[in-house]
Amino acid sequence: SYELTQPPSVSLSPGQTANITCSGDKLGDKYVCWFQQKPGQSPVLVIYQDNRRPSGIPERFSGSNSGNTATLTISGTQAIDEADYYCQAWDSSSAGVFGGGTKLTVL
Amino acid sequence: QVQLVQSGAEVKKPGASVKISCKTSGYTFIGYSIHWVRQAPGQRLEWMGKINADNGNTKYSQQFQGRVTITRDTSANTVYMELSSLRSEDTAVYYCARLGYGGYGFDYWGQGTLVIVAS
Repeated sequence: SYELTQPPSVSLSPGQTANITCSGDKLGDKYVCWFQQKPGQSPVLVIYQDNRRPSGIPERFSGSNSGNTATLTISGTQAIDEADYYCQAWDSSSAGVFGGGTKLTVL
Repeated sequence: QVQLVQSGAEVKKPGASVKISCKTSGYTFIGYSIHWVRQAPGQRLEWMGKINADNGNTKYSQQFQGRVTITRDTSANTVYMELSSLRSEDTAVYYCARLGYGGYGFDYWGQGTLVIVAS
């Protein structure tokens, strides 16, 4: 089965740039979404189709996808960005696959 | 505005079944697919399956094949997910989500339904 791998945690200070990676075999050939999830809340779509931002998502959120790695970048990270982030793609049988999630801590 | 409202929390015994509803509003129901995603305590999101609201076609994760059934009622703009042969590992929050943005992202989510499986 297809697997997506994320680092368990990323920590940084406010104002720094966060890069959260998501790795999978030939992931660059697929479209990737990213979700933000805060404790006790439903996930929120922050990036779709590799690098597109839904309306209402701040410009500091961006995405890229090439080779075997997709990256969610949060520029000028703020305290309100502290959350779990999940990548998601579709496997060859059109089944959804999520990464293990990355806990972003803003110190 | 688009809303997905799920049914309330459930407590079930091992071996039982649970059926959760996802009532949608604010958009053309048959224009989108609805997916089910679950999250066990402290664990990752897990895709379970989906239904095309227009024709009722379904696709299920191999992990849940044979145990999960997703149906829809177009007159009520509601999607249902039934999971059978419950075990303790099925204790989780279950979410429904709409696939939007041309099929490229889950743009709206339900509030989640907690299912506890315990004897």
